Amino acid sequence: GDSVTQMEGPVTLSEEAFLTINCTYTATGYPSLFWYVQYPGEGLQLLLKATKADDKGSNKGFEATYRKETTSFHLEKGSVQVSDSAVYFCALRVPTGGFKTIFGAGTRLFVKA
Amino acid sequence: DTAVSQTPKYLVTQMGNDKSIKCEQNLGHDTMYWYKQDSKKFLKIMFSYNNKELIINETVPNRFSPKSPDKAHLNLHINSLELGDSAVYFCASSQGRDRVEQFFGPGTRLTVL
Repeated sequence: GDSVTQMEGPVTLSEEAFLTINCTYTATGYPSLFWYVQYPGEGLQLLLKATKADDKGSNKGFEATYRKETTSFHLEKGSVQVSDSAVYFCALRVPTGGFKTIFGAGTRLFVKA
Repeated sequence: DTAVSQTPKYLVTQMGNDKSIKCEQNLGHDTMYWYKQDSKKFLKIMFSYNNKELIINETVPNRFSPKSPDKAHLNLHINSLELGDSAVYFCASSQGRDRVEQFFGPGTRLTVL
């Protein structure tokens, strides 16, 4: 079945460090891929997305490239800030089952000053 | 100017009670969802409505009953609450069902004692 696997957290970094959160997926057909972010006490909000192979999504310094050959969509940021501390969810959306969105388990990021 | 709103934000109740959570979106979207997020942050789809029609109905106990009086509202009624129902419930909406992003509400934290 369709699934998303992302690296377990928590990830703890110092401010200005480089961030990578790995995400791989299994899907029938051609999914769209998303990264959502959840700040403490809030709902999820879209961070970036890519709808086809080799697309790069980017927002607020975060980037992720849709890699069909490795079925991956890793999230990167060159220099994290304390305000980036949150839980990050990788997700895919597929047409099967009524266009369901399947989320990864989430990766908690702590950024220290 | 809240896009997706939920009430109440917190709900504490005894086992066996019946409770409802309300959701409203002012984005003009035609598709709405209910998700359950457990204590480990795992997010799982429960239901989805498109133009007031139920299109996703995951394996959820029939104690949970969604109701969509119009496209802007999707309520969740839970009968005979159990300890395992304790979680954060998120409402979300999207325009269309295709490869689109979802907009999430702030969540309702349900605690069953």
